Amino acid sequence: GQQLNQSPQSMFIQEGEDVSMNCTSSSIFNTWLWYKQDPGEGPVLLIALYKAGELTSNGRLTAQFGITRKDSFLNISASIPSDVGIYFCACLSGTYKYIFGTGTRLKVLA
Amino acid sequence: SAVISQKPSRDICQRGTSLTIQCQVDSQVTMMFWYRQQPGQSLTLIATANQGSEATYESGFVIDKFPISRPNLTFSTLTVSNMSPEDSSIYLCSVGGRSSYNEQFFGPGTRLTVL
Repeated sequence: GQQLNQSPQSMFIQEGEDVSMNCTSSSIFNTWLWYKQDPGEGPVLLIALYKAGELTSNGRLTAQFGITRKDSFLNISASIPSDVGIYFCACLSGTYKYIFGTGTRLKVLA
Repeated sequence: SAVISQKPSRDICQRGTSLTIQCQVDSQVTMMFWYRQQPGQSLTLIATANQGSEATYESGFVIDKFPISRPNLTFSTLTVSNMSPEDSSIYLCSVGGRSSYNEQFFGPGTRLTVL
C-alpha cells in the first residue's frame, strides 16, 4: 500500500543548530502537510503544501513540496529546546483521507 | 482552527470490556475522523464519521469492533469494543479546516491501556 518514509528516524542536535528532515513516497501526492506531536498531545499542523515546487515558511520552519510530488522536506532553523517532539508528514490520499509518515523524533540538547 | 476536546484523556481498562471515547468540537463540522496511534507508531485512519450517515471504515477496521456515533455536527463518539491488550493505543479525533478540508486538525487524544 501507499507509504511515506521519513528520515532520519530520530536525531539529536545541539540547541541553535539547523535541522533538516525529509519525507518520500513511491506515489505522487498533491497535498503535503507537516505536523509536530508533543508527548501526550495530538499532532499540531505546522505547514501545508499544495503546489509542486512550493516553498513555505512558518517562523523558523521552512518546508518544500518536491517538484516530482513524491517528496517534501522540513527545515528548522536555530533549534530551541521546545522543538523537541515527533514530526510527521502526511499526504492526502483520496478525497479526505490522509496517510501519515513514519515520523522523525527530534531531541534538542541544551 | 477548531478547538477539539476529547474525553477521557486516558484510561486503563480490563480486557473484554468496552470504552467509549467522546470528541467535542467548538464549531459545526461536516466530517470528523478517528485515528489510532499505536505505541511508538504513526497515525492510522480508523474511519470517517459524517453526520446523519454510517461511518466509513478503512481496511482492517470494522464497525463491530469500533462502532462510531455522529449525532450532530459538533460531536462524535468512538467505542473500542471487547478490548484486548493489542488495543492499547492513543485514539485521536480530527476535523477538517474551516477554510479547507485539506487541512486536518487534531484533538489531544485518548491514551488507552488495556490490561
